[in-house]
Amino acid sequence: KQEVTQIPAALSVPEGENLVLNCSFTDSAIYNLQWFRQDPGKGLTSLLLIQSSQREQTSGRLNASLDKSSGRSTLYIAASQPGDSATYLCAVRPVDQFYFGTGTSLTVIP
Amino acid sequence: DVKVTQSSRYLVKRTGEKVFLECVQDMDHENMFWYRQDPGLGLRLIYFSYDVKMKEKGDIPEGYSVSREKKERFSLILESASTNQTSMYLCASSSRGPREPQHFGDGTRLSIL
Repeated sequence: KQEVTQIPAALSVPEGENLVLNCSFTDSAIYNLQWFRQDPGKGLTSLLLIQSSQREQTSGRLNASLDKSSGRSTLYIAASQPGDSATYLCAVRPVDQFYFGTGTSLTVIP
Repeated sequence: DVKVTQSSRYLVKRTGEKVFLECVQDMDHENMFWYRQDPGLGLRLIYFSYDVKMKEKGDIPEGYSVSREKKERFSLILESASTNQTSMYLCASSSRGPREPQHFGDGTRLSIL
């Protein structure tokens, strides 16, 4: 069964810093990997979707990379802002199901 | 934009009650999912459906059932609510294509007293 791990579980950084969140998965047979943001008490908001054939995707200050063969993805956030404070989750899709990590809780300190 | 709507943001019910959680999506998606989210355990799949009247068990189906009578609506049913079903419930949908993303509703915070 696919297992998805996110390290660290929590991260606190000063405003303006660049940071990297990590996601690893055990089975490389995936169609895509999706990064989400979750604010407290809310649902998940999709940030980036990387297909298995792609190496990276960018949206504004966010850049996600995928190394399928090693089972790793990173989410790079440039010039962090207090509004980036949230929990970030990654999910992989082998077929129809999605498998989620437990997330990284990010706090950006003004 | 895809819209996934869950009928309630907060719900409080009593032990033994039959509870219905409703989810509607407006993008004609084939696949719909119900998850529960608990601290330290992440998202766990309860049931999913890939077509009308079709359903598949996820990782934790015990104590739950689902109904999908129309393509846009997927209902989660707690047959006899128990306190260990207190949780955040999240509904999601996706197109059938394996390369398509998943879209989530705002969640329902369910408390069973």
